Amino acid sequence: AQTVTQSQPEMSVQEAETVTLSCTYDTSESNYYLFWYKQPPSRQMILVIRQEAYKQQNATENRFSVNFQKAAKSFSLKISDSQLGDTAMYFCASHTGTASKLTFGTGTRLQVTL
Amino acid sequence: DVKVTQSSRYLVKRTGEKVFLECVQDMDHENMFWYRQDPGLGLRLIYFSYDVKMKEKGDIPEGYSVSREKKERFSLILESASTNQTSMYLCASNHPSGAYNEQFFGPGTRLTVL
Repeated sequence: AQTVTQSQPEMSVQEAETVTLSCTYDTSESNYYLFWYKQPPSRQMILVIRQEAYKQQNATENRFSVNFQKAAKSFSLKISDSQLGDTAMYFCASHTGTASKLTFGTGTRLQVTL
Repeated sequence: DVKVTQSSRYLVKRTGEKVFLECVQDMDHENMFWYRQDPGLGLRLIYFSYDVKMKEKGDIPEGYSVSREKKERFSLILESASTNQTSMYLCASNHPSGAYNEQFFGPGTRLTVL
């Protein structure tokens, strides 16, 4: 069975600073996808960024980037130039080829402060 | 844009009642999912459906059933609601081979069972 671990239940960062959210996973699959989802307060969950395991290059989406360490099974999310709108729960998730199911971590609540 | 809607944002029911949570998506997705979200536990998959009338148990199916009579609609049924089913319920959908299997989420239904 797959597992996804987020060891930081809560984090805080000042506006314009950089913050890194940690995620580790365990899978026996050779090909898989990894995701970071964001759930703003009282709003819908949305995809932030995704990474295919067979791609060496780390994914980047504007201020969001990942540090994918395949051997260590680590998939951290870096948010640069943090904004108040980044305040949210962030979930790391993994997916394998079967049936489109995702396994989620327990989430990290990020608070961006002035 | 993909739109996933859920019938209620907030719902209060009594122990023993039969509860229906409805989810509708407008993007002709084959896959639909029901998750339960609890603090400190992340998202846990209850059931998913990969086609009309097809369903598969997720990680925590006990106490729940589902129905998918039409492609766009996926219902979660609590046969006899109990207080330990008080939670946030999220519906999601995706196309099996689309966009790295990104799942699109509804706004959630916060269910309270008294």
